[in-house]
Amino acid sequence: GEDVEQSLFLSVREGDSSVINCTYTDSSSTYLYWYKQEPGAGLQLLTYIFSNMDMKQDQRLTVLLNKKDKHLSLRIADTQTGDSAIYFCAESKLSFGAGTTVTVRA
Amino acid sequence: GAVVSQHPSRVICKSGTSVKIECRSLDFQATTMFWYRQFPKKSLMLMATSNEGSKATYEQGVEKDKFLINHASLTLSTLTVTSAHPEDSSFYICSATRNPPEAFFGQGTRLTVV
Repeated sequence: GEDVEQSLFLSVREGDSSVINCTYTDSSSTYLYWYKQEPGAGLQLLTYIFSNMDMKQDQRLTVLLNKKDKHLSLRIADTQTGDSAIYFCAESKLSFGAGTTVTVRA
Repeated sequence: GAVVSQHPSRVICKSGTSVKIECRSLDFQATTMFWYRQFPKKSLMLMATSNEGSKATYEQGVEKDKFLINHASLTLSTLTVTSAHPEDSSFYICSATRNPPEAFFGQGTRLTVV
């Protein structure tokens, strides 16, 4: 099976919060990442979290890590149209999930 | 964040020819660079890990003679797709690591083989 799994699609209304979930298998991952990819572009590192942390907040982004369940989430507060993109989570070895396509509707 | 530049961003080549893609870390030295391939609506597939001054480590199923990787300096890695075929058409992305855990990605190269 896949090392990193994500839901494939998320539709959210502008101004609401988006929550993207991810599960991973490598319990030795030291860091876990969230990347953003806009159409036809490369990946942009959004944030990362050390495995010994439960939460990390960076402006509108909040990362939650449940190491016991190997579950990672990314919350985007006050979602804007510019947040429409594909979001990838990744383990330390840069094994990526399939990506969650976030669509922001007015 | 740090800048990784990938060139070219788009390339069209004839079947049977070779194409070289460059990946440069512009403002930091990258001891390790990674090459990925991305299929439409799919995640990134790691092709190989490139360490400066040594041979690249290829993932299972990736032909090392077809996808030649050279990491000549701490700021440059190249991927050459040799004898390209239409099935090699894809989006190729490189990444470079600074101080772990930061990994930064190039903007990608869209390769079309006709």
